[in-house]
Amino acid sequence: KNQVEQSPQSLIILEGKNCTLQCNYTVSPFSNLRWYKQDTGRGPVSLTIMTFSENTKSNGRYTATLDADTKQSSLHITASQLSDSASYICVVNFGNEKLTFGTGTRLTIIP
Amino acid sequence: GAVVSQHPSRVICKSGTSVKIECRSLDFQATTMFWYRQFPKQSLMLMATSNEGSKATYEQGVEKDKFLINHASLTLSTLTVTSAHPEDSSFYICSAEGDFPGETQYFGPGTRLLVL
Repeated sequence: KNQVEQSPQSLIILEGKNCTLQCNYTVSPFSNLRWYKQDTGRGPVSLTIMTFSENTKSNGRYTATLDADTKQSSLHITASQLSDSASYICVVNFGNEKLTFGTGTRLTIIP
Repeated sequence: GAVVSQHPSRVICKSGTSVKIECRSLDFQATTMFWYRQFPKQSLMLMATSNEGSKATYEQGVEKDKFLINHASLTLSTLTVTSAHPEDSSFYICSAEGDFPGETQYFGPGTRLLVL
């Protein structure tokens, strides 16, 4: 079983709408949890990074939250734009230097 | 933010040939670099961890003699795919980690390898 799972696998929303992506992890505590955006054919780009003690972190229209009790993190995107179409990956550093990648959510914004 | 580059961005080669991919940290010294492989619609899979001046640590199932990694300096790591075969066709991504706050790994833009 993957230690980091994301939902939904894919999501299609209209431009301008908000959306929330989910990430569930099984092991805690951890060193940090990150959300990355990966455009097709490109490397991942960091959006937010949170330590185990943080509850929320924002980066422009992206807001990540962390609930240690339920072992969940979410990434909320506000006022979506066409350029937000990408894969969003939740990545957890369990403290052993290696990163554990989530399965990713493929987000498509339609005009 | 920190910048990591990869070269080439895409390469097409014949089966049986070797291909070298470079990963550079442009504005910081990377004590550790990581090499990942990503197949279509799948997440990144760690292949190996390389530390400057020492041998790379390979993940289970990754052939070290096929995927040669050299991390000769604090700003450059290379991955050589030896005797490439069509099944090696994939998207190869490196990341670099330096000694700065946040312990963020910065990813390169990736290299698309197609073996004919």
